[in-house]
Amino acid sequence: DAGVIQSPRHEVTEMGQEVTLRCKPISGHDYLFWYRQTMMRGLELLIYFNNNVPIDDSGMPEDRFSAKMPNASFSTLKIQPSEPRDSAVYFCASRGPGLTYEQYFGPGTRLTVT
Amino acid sequence: AQSVTQPDIHITVSEGASLELRCNYSYGATPYLFWYVQSPGQGLQLLLKYFSGDTLVQGIKGFEAEFKRSQSSFNLRKPSVHWSDAAEYFCALQTRPGGSYIPTFGRGTSLIVHP
Repeated sequence: DAGVIQSPRHEVTEMGQEVTLRCKPISGHDYLFWYRQTMMRGLELLIYFNNNVPIDDSGMPEDRFSAKMPNASFSTLKIQPSEPRDSAVYFCASRGPGLTYEQYFGPGTRLTVT
Repeated sequence: AQSVTQPDIHITVSEGASLELRCNYSYGATPYLFWYVQSPGQGLQLLLKYFSGDTLVQGIKGFEAEFKRSQSSFNLRKPSVHWSDAAEYFCALQTRPGGSYIPTFGRGTSLIVHP
């Protein structure tokens, strides 16, 4: 398996623009998580899905952020409009069924909003 | 609510020296515990995990961790550090079935290895 795939790896955009981050989880995994990592706040859970259904989005900073999972092999995190304070590394992670609870992280998308 | 504390933001060791990274947790019962490593520019990778049984668990890359219930700790150790171990290390906790399935991560400890 190729692991969790995220695209793009780097994104530089101007304030006010829409940004879409993409994630392909490991095949067969039924949980998908979106995290944001910054120096100031560490690793923050934004939202997670179980079987493509959003379960908890309480970590989403504000209405400018939205996430979707239209099928088991694809998820997006969208920021519209983007702001400089959204600059961070965004990780997607997936987890398989059963009782192992191990999360598999993608390589992350480094977002810079100027 | 559960929490994870990694008291050391940075740890500096010389190559070949032993290493211990501290992790303390707060939870009303015995949780599932994990250590992840994040190399520069990479995502997090699982080093080891504790669910039950032997309190000393072995992981990848020569790491081990010991669960101490009385101290609410799960410290990570390695007898001899290699330069390639320089990375960010995260301790994480997850409650057992019946609770949240969401892991709680510590803030991380950055390991610097001097030649």
